[in-house]
Order: sequence, then structure tokens, then C-alpha cells
Amino acid sequence: GDSVTQMEGPVTLSEEAFLTINCTYTATGYPSLFWYVQYPGEGLQLLLKATKADDKGSNKGFEATYRKETTSFHLEKGSVQVSDSAVYFCALKGGSYIPTFGRGTSLIVHP
Amino acid sequence: NAGVTQTPKFQVLKTGQSMTLQCAQDMNHEYMSWYRQDPGMGLRLIHYSVGAGITDQGEVPNGYNVSRSTTEDFPLRLLSAAPSQTSVYFCASRLLRGGDEQYFGPGTRLTVT
Repeated sequence: GDSVTQMEGPVTLSEEAFLTINCTYTATGYPSLFWYVQYPGEGLQLLLKATKADDKGSNKGFEATYRKETTSFHLEKGSVQVSDSAVYFCALKGGSYIPTFGRGTSLIVHP
Repeated sequence: NAGVTQTPKFQVLKTGQSMTLQCAQDMNHEYMSWYRQDPGMGLRLIHYSVGAGITDQGEVPNGYNVSRSTTEDFPLRLLSAAPSQTSVYFCASRLLRGGDEQYFGPGTRLTVT
């Protein structure tokens, strides 16, 4: 079946540092890939998505590129802020009704 | 649009009590689902529905019931609460065709003592 593996956290960075959160997946066919963000005390919200190979999703300074050859969708940001502190979930949606989520990676950004 | 709404935000139950967590969406989404989120466990799917009158079990359905009488509403019932059901519950919805991204509610934090 489909699966998503993302790096365990927490990831702790200083403000303005470069961020990478790794995500790899296993799926048949050509799934859509997503990053969701969950701020403290809130539900998940879509951060960015990509629907086909080599697509780059971007939003709020975050980027991720759909790499079919390495089955990866790593999240990057060039300069993080304290306000980016949250839990980040990688997810995929293949042919099934049910999307598959990674376990989430907590990001803590210190001033 | 209000999006996905959940009530209550917080609830404390005693073991053996029953209750219903409410979820509603105003986006005419066919697909609705319930997750629980526990520390270190990520999101686990409890039940889902692909339309009014159609429901199915997810990964962790035991102890929970759902029904879908309208497109808008998808309540989750705890039949006899247990401490193991202490968790944060999220409702989510999406279109069945197109988009594929899910819209989540703000969550219900449930404590069972």
C-alpha cells in the first residue's frame, strides 16, 4: 500500500536558518503530493502541493519539488522565522479515496 | 464560507459516558473523514464517508460510530468512552473529484477520566 516517511523531529533552528524536512513516499501510479502545516492548537491546513513529476509547489517562502526518480518531496525554506514553528505533515493522494499522511515533523524556531 | 466546523472545542467525559462530536462543512464536499491525533502517532483515520448514506471504517474504528444523513454533517459518536480515547479529534473534508487537498476543522480535545 501507499506510505509516507518523513524525518523525525523535533527540528530546532535559529531564526533565519535554512530549513529542510525530508519526505519520501511509496505509491503506485502518479499520486498528488502535499505538505500540510499545523500551528499550535489548530487543525491542519494546506501549505503547498504538486500534482505531477517535476512540479514545484510553493507558498509563504516554502518550496517542495515532486521528484519521481527519488520518490521524494522535501520541504525547504531559505530563512525561517519564529512564526514558522509548527508541525509539518507530508501526505500523498493516490488512486484510493483515503490520503496517506506521514507522522509529522515538529519545527521549533528560536529567536 | 465557514469551511469545516467542529463542536465542542473541549470536552471532559467520565469512563462509560457517551457523546457525539459534531462536524459540519459548507463546501458541498462529498468526502468527509474523522481522525484522531495522539503524540508520536501522527493522524489515524477512524471513519470516512464518500457521500450521504455511505460510511466506511478506517484504521482505528473500534469504539466509534458515524452516520452521514446529509452532505453537510458527519457526527462521530463515542458509545462508551474509555481513557484510551483521550485524544484530539479532527474532521476533514474534500471534493471527490479534483483538488484532492483536504480541509480540516479546528479539532476537539477530548479527555476521558
